[in-house]
Amino acid sequence: QVQLVQSGAEVKKPGASVEVSCKASGYTFTRYAIHWVRQAPGQRLEWMGWINPGNGNIKYSQKFQGRVTITRDISASTAYMELSSLRSQDTAVYYCARLGVDFWSGAGPDAFDIWGQGTMVTVSS
Amino acid sequence: QSALTQPASVSGSPGQSITISCTGTSSDVGGYNYVSWYQQHPGKAPKLMIYDVSNRPSGVSHRFSGSKSGNTASLTISGLQAEDEADYYCSSHTSITTRVFGTGTKVIVL
Repeated sequence: QVQLVQSGAEVKKPGASVEVSCKASGYTFTRYAIHWVRQAPGQRLEWMGWINPGNGNIKYSQKFQGRVTITRDISASTAYMELSSLRSQDTAVYYCARLGVDFWSGAGPDAFDIWGQGTMVTVSS
Repeated sequence: QSALTQPASVSGSPGQSITISCTGTSSDVGGYNYVSWYQQHPGKAPKLMIYDVSNRPSGVSHRFSGSKSGNTASLTISGLQAEDEADYYCSSHTSITTRVFGTGTKVIVL
């Protein structure tokens, strides 16, 4: 079935970097955008950015510009999100989500139709 | 980009209808017909409930419906059930390539 499976929980010290992976299966990886969304404990969803796995084009939220890097490995059908210069406020669950629009046909919902299970990142000294 | 504004909580009794609002600006909600809604139960990933303002994905109950007027989108849950108790988030484009989520609404079934 169509799914996104993320890497496991991480504990990092302030100032460090973290990389979260998101492996896609059940569909053609290059045909759909992958977005990254985070949620601090008890807080709202926050959009971080996205990548077109087919051509590698990326767009970041202004809030994270300069600290976030989204990449992909087509051969592994996997997207990655790296966040650097971590601080305690970055403690959150990080989700990857597929945008439902098929790049090839243009069909599908312009919304996040498939979500990863989430990766808890804890930043603590 | 500021978050879209939602009420912190909305409550209703089983069987009743409730409506959650999502207010933005002409640069996001009012400028695009790409508002989506997500349901999130505690400790779970969000689930898509409505896309493109008023469309339901297959498998989502007909009790959920969406609409938009100007800069405000709405999600209505009719025939409220205990399982509908969850957090709900709206989302919109803020440009053709960027997105924003709402502040979130906790639905309480009395």
